[in-house]
Amino acid sequence: GQNIDQPTEMTATEGAIVQINCTYQTSGFNGLFWYQQHAGEAPTFLSYNVLDGLEEKGRFSSFLSRSKGYSYLLLKELQMKDSASYLCAVAAGGGNKLTFGTGTQLKVEL
Amino acid sequence: KAGVTQTPRYLIKTRGQQVTLSCSPISGHRSVSWYQQTPGQGLQFLFEYFSETQRNKGNFPGRFSGRQFSNSRSEMNVSTLELGDSALYLCASSFSLGAGGGNEQFFGPGTRLTVL
Repeated sequence: GQNIDQPTEMTATEGAIVQINCTYQTSGFNGLFWYQQHAGEAPTFLSYNVLDGLEEKGRFSSFLSRSKGYSYLLLKELQMKDSASYLCAVAAGGGNKLTFGTGTQLKVEL
Repeated sequence: KAGVTQTPRYLIKTRGQQVTLSCSPISGHRSVSWYQQTPGQGLQFLFEYFSETQRNKGNFPGRFSGRQFSNSRSEMNVSTLELGDSALYLCASSFSLGAGGGNEQFFGPGTRLTVL
């Protein structure tokens, strides 16, 4: 089976940087995704990593270490609108099946 | 380009009834996956359809079933509803089979099912 762990809650200040960690155990790894979900809305795709290293997309960056089963999502220049749940998801085996962590609820404060 | 649409958005049923939910993927997308989201368990994979064939299945009882039509629209059915089936059911579409860069899944707004 698969096991994905991420912190339940985090709080950060507007303008700051926050790092959300995700650890996973899986076989047949095909990639790791990060999604953002605002309350009452659908998850939206943020990033995808399949090789070790850092992927940067504007204010958002995601890092992967396959040997350590570890990823993080880095959010820079935090804005109030970044308050949301951040979901780490692993693709393994065939198809598009994703196994999600329970999500990290990020609260951005003034 | 229209996004993923799901109908109905809200549904209230009673125990023992059955329900059918519908999902229309983004035009050109052939893969449709279904997920159940609850506060306690988070997002859990139900099944995936591609070209009218079920390609992957999660660990849900046989009461949960689905199908996909030739136009890639998909339906999922839950029979003999239980209180624990109350959840947000999300549908996600992607262009092809095989998770990867450029083939991310796009989620619909979900159907909120309440079982009384």
